[in-house]
Amino acid sequence: AQSVTQLDSQVPVFEEAPVELRCNYSSSVSVYLFWYVQYPNQGLQLLLKYLSGSTLVKGINGFEAEFNKSQTSFHLRKPSVHISDTAEYFCAVLLQGGSEKLVFGKGTKLTVNP
Amino acid sequence: EADIYQTPRYLVIGTGKKITLECSQTMGHDKMYWYQQDPGMELHLIHYSYGVNSTEKGDLSSESTVSRIRTEHFPLTLESARPSHTSQYLCASSEHRANYGYTFGSGTRLTVV
Repeated sequence: AQSVTQLDSQVPVFEEAPVELRCNYSSSVSVYLFWYVQYPNQGLQLLLKYLSGSTLVKGINGFEAEFNKSQTSFHLRKPSVHISDTAEYFCAVLLQGGSEKLVFGKGTKLTVNP
Repeated sequence: EADIYQTPRYLVIGTGKKITLECSQTMGHDKMYWYQQDPGMELHLIHYSYGVNSTEKGDLSSESTVSRIRTEHFPLTLESARPSHTSQYLCASSEHRANYGYTFGSGTRLTVV
């Protein structure tokens, strides 16, 4: 069965600093990879996804992620964060050709301080 | 803008009451899901449906039940609420090929007192 590990439960940063949220996955087959963001008292919104092709994926709000198959990682990055980026970020995997059910990590709480 | 709606957003209810959490989507998606989310924890799939009259239990055991009589509607029911059911419940839907990603509703935060 596949699993997702988000290595940091909380990441505090200052405004305009760069940030990286780490995600590793475990699966015996190829996967699709996703990052979702959850603002307070809201549902989840899709930030970006990796299906195939270029390993660098660009998403909304200036975020990007890089798929590294050898390290089974899909880290999320932003070169300069804003206060409004404060939210919970979830990494998720979906098996290729398998169950159509997303499996989520435990989430990383990003807090951007002024 | 999300086209999946959950009601109510917040619900405080007494132990033993029957409750139904509503979820509707206007995108014509075949697949719908219910996730349970506790603070600081990952989302756990409790129910899913791949179409009308199709429902399955998810990875996390739940005392709730679901129905899928219409494509757009996927309600979740608790026959007798208990404090252990206190959580946030998120509904989602996806196209036939789920690798396009899920669309989530805003969630229902349930508190059982």
